[in-house]
Amino acid sequence: AQSVAQPEDQVNVAEGNPLTVKCTYSVSGNPYLFWYVQYPNRGLQFLLKYITGDNLVKGSYGFEAEFNKSQTSFHLKKPSALVSDSALYFCAVRDEYNFNKFYFGSGTKLNVKP
Amino acid sequence: DAGVIQSPRHEVTEMGQEVTLRCKPISGHDYLFWYRQTMMRGLELLIYFNNNVPIDDSGMPEDRFSAKMPNASFSTLKIQPSEPRDSAVYFCASSRSGGRRNEQFFGPGTRLTVL
Repeated sequence: AQSVAQPEDQVNVAEGNPLTVKCTYSVSGNPYLFWYVQYPNRGLQFLLKYITGDNLVKGSYGFEAEFNKSQTSFHLKKPSALVSDSALYFCAVRDEYNFNKFYFGSGTKLNVKP
Repeated sequence: DAGVIQSPRHEVTEMGQEVTLRCKPISGHDYLFWYRQTMMRGLELLIYFNNNVPIDDSGMPEDRFSAKMPNASFSTLKIQPSEPRDSAVYFCASSRSGGRRNEQFFGPGTRLTVL
């Protein structure tokens, strides 16, 4: 069965520093991976996705994610964090057999301090 | 585009009452999903529709929950009778068919509190 794991409940980083939010996945075939962000009292917003091609995927708000097949990881990164990046981040993987089903991780709360 | 629209944004009700949550998907999207988010269980898929037809309701917790999609622009999630453990944020999402590439777009959610 497909799944994703977000090993950190919370990540703290100072404004201006690089940030990484970790995600590992488990699939039996080709992975289709997504990152979403949730701001307080809002729905999830799509950030970026990996379907195929380059291992470094660029998305919204300056975020990028690196797909690493050997480590089965899809970590979210940003070179310079902003206070406004503080939010809840979810990694998700698409079901291999039912493309319409997503499996979401438990979420990682990112705190960016000024 | 207005995005996925949900109403109400907040609902407070008493145990035993019927609750109806509403969703309007993005125009042109033929898939609609209902999710529930809680601290304990995270984000759970309850049910999804394709072209107004329920495809997979295996995530619906029990018979007290029901969902309908009478047309392409409207869906409801009903809980009857409601219980305190149903308190959660309920999200509606929609997407366009197209295989592996298409992401889901989420509404702002309905925060349900059952007293």
